[in-house]
Amino acid sequence: LAKTTQPISMDSYEGQEVNITCSHNNIATNDYITWYQQFPSQGPRFIIQGYKTKVTNEVASLFIPADRKSSTLSLPRVSLSDTAVYYCLVVGHRSNDYKLSFGAGTTVTVRA
Amino acid sequence: ETGVTQTPRHLVMGMTNKKSLKCEQHLGHNAMYWYKQSAKKPLELMFVYSLEERVENNSVPSRFSPECPNSSHLFLHLHTLQPEDSALYLCASSQDLRGPNYEQYFGPGTRLTVT
Repeated sequence: LAKTTQPISMDSYEGQEVNITCSHNNIATNDYITWYQQFPSQGPRFIIQGYKTKVTNEVASLFIPADRKSSTLSLPRVSLSDTAVYYCLVVGHRSNDYKLSFGAGTTVTVRA
Repeated sequence: ETGVTQTPRHLVMGMTNKKSLKCEQHLGHNAMYWYKQSAKKPLELMFVYSLEERVENNSVPSRFSPECPNSSHLFLHLHTLQPEDSALYLCASSQDLRGPNYEQYFGPGTRLTVT
């Protein structure tokens, strides 16, 4: 499983864009980058997944450079309800890839 | 609402009690998982089932006993727990164990307190 590194915490204000960068230097060719969101006392929720370049959905955008050694989750115009822990995971298709390694995640705090 | 339900949502039990946690998924998925999340710690994978067959037992103490009677239901039987077992226990499911459909859907969790 590729190891990921992301900031422990980030603070923001309502209406701002939040960008969380994750490093995954030993990502393999078949690996995908996946992000989950977790609110306090709830289970994580899948946000977005990508392989390369840019992926966008109704919640976030994911930017992946050509070397794929890092990725950036972008949350546009955050609100107080976006306060949560965000996990970057690298997931592939190898035999043990059901073992999602969540790590500590990035705690994003949005203030009014 | 993720399509994965867990009961009870909160449980307080003594160290000599026996209780069970229940998880049910309404998504038609083939794989189900138990995770433990202790305070200030990352999620720890405990057990994995694929098509009702256990494929992972991640060095979990025997006081935790999983059961998967069918692909929609997963139980975690608890007995003689320790206070350090107090945590949020999360159930998850995915369409397949691996491959492109491995996005995991989590339930709301059971907050367990062992006294």
